Amino acid sequence: QKEVEQDPGPLSVPEGAIVSLNCTYSNSAFQYFMWYRQYSRKGPELLMYTYSSGNKEDGRFTAQVDKSSKYISLFIRDSQPSDSATYLCAMSAYTGANSKLTFGKGITLSVRP
Amino acid sequence: DGGITQSPKYLFRKEGQNVTLSCEQNLNHDAMYWYRQDPGQGLRLIYYSQIVNDFQKGDIAEGYSVSREKKESFPLTVTSAQKNPTAFYLCASNDRAELGNQPQHFGDGTRLSIL
Repeated sequence: QKEVEQDPGPLSVPEGAIVSLNCTYSNSAFQYFMWYRQYSRKGPELLMYTYSSGNKEDGRFTAQVDKSSKYISLFIRDSQPSDSATYLCAMSAYTGANSKLTFGKGITLSVRP
Repeated sequence: DGGITQSPKYLFRKEGQNVTLSCEQNLNHDAMYWYRQDPGQGLRLIYYSQIVNDFQKGDIAEGYSVSREKKESFPLTVTSAQKNPTAFYLCASNDRAELGNQPQHFGDGTRLSIL
């Protein structure tokens, strides 16, 4: 079993839809959880960063972490064509200089106008 | 503007040749990382450095080498021993944990191809 599993996609939705992206993990030591957005030919851009379980909201984006189920989600409300990108979940046991990240494979989202 | 600069954006390697990818950051971050990204594979850690003059192997270090002589610079050399070097290479950095939660931030990558 891979340490981090991410829904494979690709995913195509109409503009305005609610998007749900998910990852599961097996390492119970993970306690820092991230979602990165990556546009074509660009580096990943940090979208959401959460510690331990709970929800975090930032504009149209909500990140959820359920450590008991080893499951994290990213919700995008009122999706826009500019949200079309690859979304990567990442997690680590530590923060700072010892924060080796383990990534999901990424899911490509396309939002149709 | 503070950030991470990777160069070149595109690089071509001939058989048997070593090539060096540059990564410079002006964020004053202690730690720097190199990842490799292949289609459908996600990002995999090659090397990381928590402090100047020190670095550790990641999950796929074979065929690669690094140095960390300056805090702001962490170059990656792809040696001829790396038999499948075609990939998108990403450099990241973050600061020490004592300053609070420190996610990694990424440069815009170097795409390496074989001639």
